[in-house]
Amino acid sequence: QVQLQESGPGLVKPSGTLSLTCAVSGGSISSSNWWSWVRQPPGKGLEWIGEIYHSGSTNYNPSLKSRVTISVDKSKNQFSLKLSSVTAADTAVYYCARRNTGFGESNAFDIWGQGTMVTVSS
Amino acid sequence: AIQMTQSPSSLSASVGDRVTITCRASQGIRNDLGWYQQKPGKAPKLLIYAASSLQSGVPSRFSGSGSGTDFTLTISSLQPEDFATYYCLQDYNYPHTFGQGTKLEIK
Repeated sequence: QVQLQESGPGLVKPSGTLSLTCAVSGGSISSSNWWSWVRQPPGKGLEWIGEIYHSGSTNYNPSLKSRVTISVDKSKNQFSLKLSSVTAADTAVYYCARRNTGFGESNAFDIWGQGTMVTVSS
Repeated sequence: AIQMTQSPSSLSASVGDRVTITCRASQGIRNDLGWYQQKPGKAPKLLIYAASSLQSGVPSRFSGSGSGTDFTLTISSLQPEDFATYYCLQDYNYPHTFGQGTKLEIK
């Protein structure tokens, strides 16, 4: 079955760029699904960051849009997140997830990576 | 952005209890709502999609209902493994938004 695995630095300096990658295994990133990033600050709730389709189409949360770039690498079956100009407020566990569009007329985030903690600190 | 308001924010209950969690959307979202369970240190897990459809492999004691702006997640008979935090998520439009979560604790 499809599995997702996040990777990237666990520590980023303030004003720097956070870069994470999500590797997709057990299935193709070119399937009819959207590939998403969600984050969770320590002790807080979940926030949707954005998503990408294998064609390269993206949707972003307006609250982060000016700082976020999500890209896809079909040759490596993975997608990536870049968040620029980070501050301590960006410290969080970052999850990648699949938004499955195959639930009839509905869709849902049915597969999640284990999450990776990113701390913004000097 | 559509605001999702969950209630209660926390809940104490006993094994065997019937529990209901509600989620209200700030505007109509048809049935484009999912419920997710999250245990400490773990990723969220899909329980219910399209407001009332049970995800494969999820116990039948979990059920969802609602449409438009008001939704409920019901656990018919709490089991020890159900103590966790529950989130609703609307995917009707962008940005997708989560409720603030309901922490279900053992009484």
